[in-house]
Amino acid sequence: QLQLHESGPGLVKPSETLSLTCTVSGDSMTNSLNYWAWIRQPPGKGLEWIGSMYYTGSTYYNSSLKSRVFMSVDTSKRQVSLSLSSMTAADTAVYYCARHFIAAALDSWGQGTLVTVSS
Amino acid sequence: EAVLTQSPATLSVSPGESSTLSCRASQSINSNLAWYQHKPGQSPRLLFSAASARATGVPARFRASGSGTEFTLTISSLQSEDVAVYYCQHYNDWPPLTFGGGTKVEIK
Repeated sequence: QLQLHESGPGLVKPSETLSLTCTVSGDSMTNSLNYWAWIRQPPGKGLEWIGSMYYTGSTYYNSSLKSRVFMSVDTSKRQVSLSLSSMTAADTAVYYCARHFIAAALDSWGQGTLVTVSS
Repeated sequence: EAVLTQSPATLSVSPGESSTLSCRASQSINSNLAWYQHKPGQSPRLLFSAASARATGVPARFRASGSGTEFTLTISSLQSEDVAVYYCQHYNDWPPLTFGGGTKVEIK
């Protein structure tokens, strides 16, 4: 059974870069069907797709965040990483990693990690 | 890319009653739509993909239908554990993955 676990700092200062890691277990990261996504939910708001990546390194980002987002994968560590630069209070959210197939629904989710942006 | 509009924003339903949630796309997304249930403190759970294909373990009281621009999620005989925010999401022109604004279902 696929399991996803997000980890990272719960508190980030304004203007700093957020770094989160999603550790994957229960399925191969190099399974050709799998894409790995990051989604976030600000307090009291809806879900927002941040981006997705394939194990080969191909990345697909939300156009509204593209200038600040970077995703990477380390298949040997079974990890997908998210970096989001120039953090502001508007980036305060629960950040989830999830799995999907190409052009398909997000069928497995991590438990999420709350990131607060504050000085 | 298509924008999804969900209605109503909040639905107050008595236990045992049926509820209907709507998701409307600004342009045709064929059947490339998913529904999620998001309970407080939990991660979202996939309920349906391909507009009407029930995910594993989803109770039969949940039913989804639609294609093109109009989609519906119906919960028959609402139970207390169904209190959640329900999101639709499409992948018709992926990337991106686009979510609707959500419908909050509460017990009356």
